[in-house]
Amino acid sequence: DSGVTQTPKHLITATGQRVTLRCSPRSGDLSVYWYQQSLDQGLQFLIHYYNGEERAKGNILERFSAQQFPDLHSELNLSSLELGDSALYFCASSVEEREVSYNEQFFGPGTRLTVL
Amino acid sequence: AQKITQTQPGMFVQEKEAVTLDCTYDTSDPSYGLFWYKQPSSGEMIFLIYQGSYDQQNATEGRYSLNFQKARKSANLVISASQLGDSAMYFCAMREVHSGGSNYKLTFGKGTLLTVNP
Repeated sequence: DSGVTQTPKHLITATGQRVTLRCSPRSGDLSVYWYQQSLDQGLQFLIHYYNGEERAKGNILERFSAQQFPDLHSELNLSSLELGDSALYFCASSVEEREVSYNEQFFGPGTRLTVL
Repeated sequence: AQKITQTQPGMFVQEKEAVTLDCTYDTSDPSYGLFWYKQPSSGEMIFLIYQGSYDQQNATEGRYSLNFQKARKSANLVISASQLGDSAMYFCAMREVHSGGSNYKLTFGKGTLLTVNP
């Protein structure tokens, strides 16, 4: 158990709908990263938050947005869903942001999104 | 250009044998970290081992060791004495540290599916 929680574990929805994925980082971790894992794109970085502030965006679609709240949990909002959005969405947390290469990212169990 | 290359889509190994999973990387940053993660069929990502670009010695964690060849930009994972429970997807990932930057995302390779045969 990494200490990172994600809800829900599974989500099945229809095209055009909107969903919210939730992530609670490990106690004390200020950074939250969101990743998408799909068969065709592999594991891709979506967005990074640090202590409530957006720090970087990766290959995140405009239909997707995220935020990190004062209690440090984060939500990833996916709207106008398409079939291609079906994927496993991970969040990961790390203790703090420093200019060092080692800050292990602890991954949550993921949310498996299926868009029908 | 791919930053992390895992050339072996699938590997097979006999139980109790050792296996090497290949990973090459590309970066111009002098400071970076290399990670290996295991993803079993259940889907979770399990951290295995880390190697920093300035580390003088190869990292080891139990049955896992990392064969780090900086000049060749390779960071191969060696699993000794394979067990049936080692059957999983293995991902190599890199974390670049840009001076003054603020994004420390991991960049992943496409993974290698390891199957351990009894």
